[in-house]
Amino acid sequence: KQEVTQIPAALSVPEGENLVLNCSFTDSAIYNLQWFRQDPGKGLTSLLLIQSSQREQTSGRLNASLDKSSGRSTLYIAASQPGDSATYLCAVSSGGSYIPTFGRGTSLIVHP
Amino acid sequence: NAGVTQTPKFQVLKTGQSMTLQCAQDMNHNSMYWYRQDPGMGLRLIYYSASEGTTDKGEVPNGYNVSRLNKREFSLRLESAAPSQTSVYFCASAVPSYEQYFGPGTRLTVT
Repeated sequence: KQEVTQIPAALSVPEGENLVLNCSFTDSAIYNLQWFRQDPGKGLTSLLLIQSSQREQTSGRLNASLDKSSGRSTLYIAASQPGDSATYLCAVSSGGSYIPTFGRGTSLIVHP
Repeated sequence: NAGVTQTPKFQVLKTGQSMTLQCAQDMNHNSMYWYRQDPGMGLRLIYYSASEGTTDKGEVPNGYNVSRLNKREFSLRLESAAPSQTSVYFCASAVPSYEQYFGPGTRLTVT
């Protein structure tokens, strides 16, 4: 059974810092990995999707990498801003039915 | 293009009452999902539908039923609500192996 772990569970940084969020998974036979953002009281918003054949994806100040062999993905946020404050979740799709398994998220606070 | 919509946004039920949560997507996705999100437990899959006419149990199906009414709509029914079903419920849709899109959620309280 796939298990997804996100470390740290919470992170507080000053504005302007570059930061890395980590996601690890136990079964490397994945189809894809997706990073989401969730604001308090809201639904999940997709940030980046990395297919198993890809090594990284970029969108604006966000860069996500995937290393299947080590079972890890990182989400890099450049020049963090207070508006980046949210919970970030990763989800890994594996198995025959493409059902994503979610990590519990990293709660990020960027303070001015 | 509204994406994934859910109704209602909020609901309070008494123990034993029933209700149906509605979900619709306008992206022509084959797959649809129902999750619940609880503090400290993360997102847990209740039921999913890989395609119109099929439904399968997820991790926590007890106390719930689903109907894939057509390709657009996937409803979740609580037949006899219990306080343990107090949660935030999310519907999602996807083309298999591609991005999953979520609705805004339904916040349910069972007293």
